[in-house]
Amino acid sequence: DGGITQSPKYLFRKEGQNVTLSCEQNLNHDAMYWYRQDPGQGLRLIYYSQIVNDFQKGDIAEGYSVSREKKESFPLTVTSAQKNPTAFYLCASSIPGAGGNTEAFFGQGTRLTVV
Amino acid sequence: GESVGLHLPTLSVQEGDNSIINCAYSNSASDYFIWYKQESGKGPQFIIDIRSNMDKRQGQRVTVLLNKTVKHLSLQIAATQPGDSAVYFCAENYNQAGTALIFGKGTTLSVSS
Repeated sequence: DGGITQSPKYLFRKEGQNVTLSCEQNLNHDAMYWYRQDPGQGLRLIYYSQIVNDFQKGDIAEGYSVSREKKESFPLTVTSAQKNPTAFYLCASSIPGAGGNTEAFFGQGTRLTVV
Repeated sequence: GESVGLHLPTLSVQEGDNSIINCAYSNSASDYFIWYKQESGKGPQFIIDIRSNMDKRQGQRVTVLLNKTVKHLSLQIAATQPGDSAVYFCAENYNQAGTALIFGKGTTLSVSS
């Protein structure tokens, strides 16, 4: 089945540790995105990548890092510099359409808790 | 049916009523808009989209209306069902390289039977 897979679904991290969230897609999409969602809030953009080996900061990139070495993979690292990392993290992908933008397809999310 | 003014965080309706969820978008240059539905603990699911060259678009039981003059978007759900209970987000984007969807705050729809 085509889609976006995020793993793990739940992740616990000790303060001061870095942790990497996985996002893989087999939709052959060029663009991939990471969003953060806090309880009762909307989605805020962390990083996005329009093409392999290129990515841009979103609105809340501080304390996060990404890589885009392969088209199908866009891992997100939450570093110890992120002051409040406990949140629900969502990965998405899309085709940047020639005639305009297209919908983004989302994974099922990773819930990160710092203990 | 029940409608709301510009964004309210929650909307409660009876099964069978029509629901209207509103959204004010931020960028007058935005030309593409999407409504997503998010169930608890899951990722958002696409409902319907509309481009700025249209005022209205209909899907199955859903209609999206776009008013560019006041930068307002609405989602109408006909004959609301308990399975429609979720958080609904509007998202906007504009056709420029290197951009991403920008999401609104979301409205929680509760449907009682």
